Amino acid sequence: DAGVIQSPRHEVTEMGQEVTLRCKPISGHNSLFWYRQTMMRGLELLIYFNNNVPIDDSGMPEDRFSAKMPNASFSTLKIQPSEPRDSAVYFCASSLEGLYNEQFFGPGTRLTVL
Amino acid sequence: KNQVEQSPQSLIILEGKNCTLQCNYTVSPFSNLRWYKQDTGRGPVSLTIMTFSENTKSNGRYTATLDADTKQSSLHITASQLSDSASYICVVSAGDMRFGAGTRLTVKP
Repeated sequence: DAGVIQSPRHEVTEMGQEVTLRCKPISGHNSLFWYRQTMMRGLELLIYFNNNVPIDDSGMPEDRFSAKMPNASFSTLKIQPSEPRDSAVYFCASSLEGLYNEQFFGPGTRLTVL
Repeated sequence: KNQVEQSPQSLIILEGKNCTLQCNYTVSPFSNLRWYKQDTGRGPVSLTIMTFSENTKSNGRYTATLDADTKQSSLHITASQLSDSASYICVVSAGDMRFGAGTRLTVKP
C-alpha cells in the first residue's frame, strides 16, 4: 500500500490567494483527519471525517478554512483567503475507524503564505 | 494551559545509551494514550497505543508505561540508535485529542 498521499508537498502563495490541499487516504480506511503543525502551537487536529461525513470540525480556526470529502478516496482542505499566519505543515491521516484507532499520517504539505 | 505536558523539551544522548521521556496529563475522562515518533520533515508514526487498563506496551526497543492513577506515562528507549533522533509526541484521547508539545531527542555517535 502506498500509504496516505498528500499533494502538493510544498506550496508557496501570496496573501489573499486560495489554497487547496489534497489527500488520498489508505484504501479501506473509513476515517480521515486533517492536522496543522507549527513550531508555536505544535500539532492540532482541525477536522475529521468518518465515512465521508464531517464529525468534528471544532479545530478549524476560522471560516476561511473548509474541508470536504466527496468520496472515500479523496479529501481537500481549502483556505480562502490565505494569510501569512496560515503558514504551517498540514498533515492528513487516516484510520480504519474513528478517532481512537491507530492513525497513519501522510508526508504533509508545507504551506508558506507570503 | 496545555493538558498534556511533556518533558524534557529536548534531550541529547550518546548512541547506545538508554533514555526515558515523560508525559503528564490532566485530561479526564481518559480513553487512550499514544506515543508518536516524528522524523524531521515527515509525518508522525505511531509507536504505542495504551488504554487506561494497560500498564505497559512495547514496540521493539520502545517501551511505554502508563499510570492512570497519577496520570503519567513514560517512553523508554533502550540501546539508542542514531535513527532514534526525532521528536516524540504524546497524545491523550478523551472525547477529543490533546497533544503534547513533544520532546526533541538527538542521539549522537
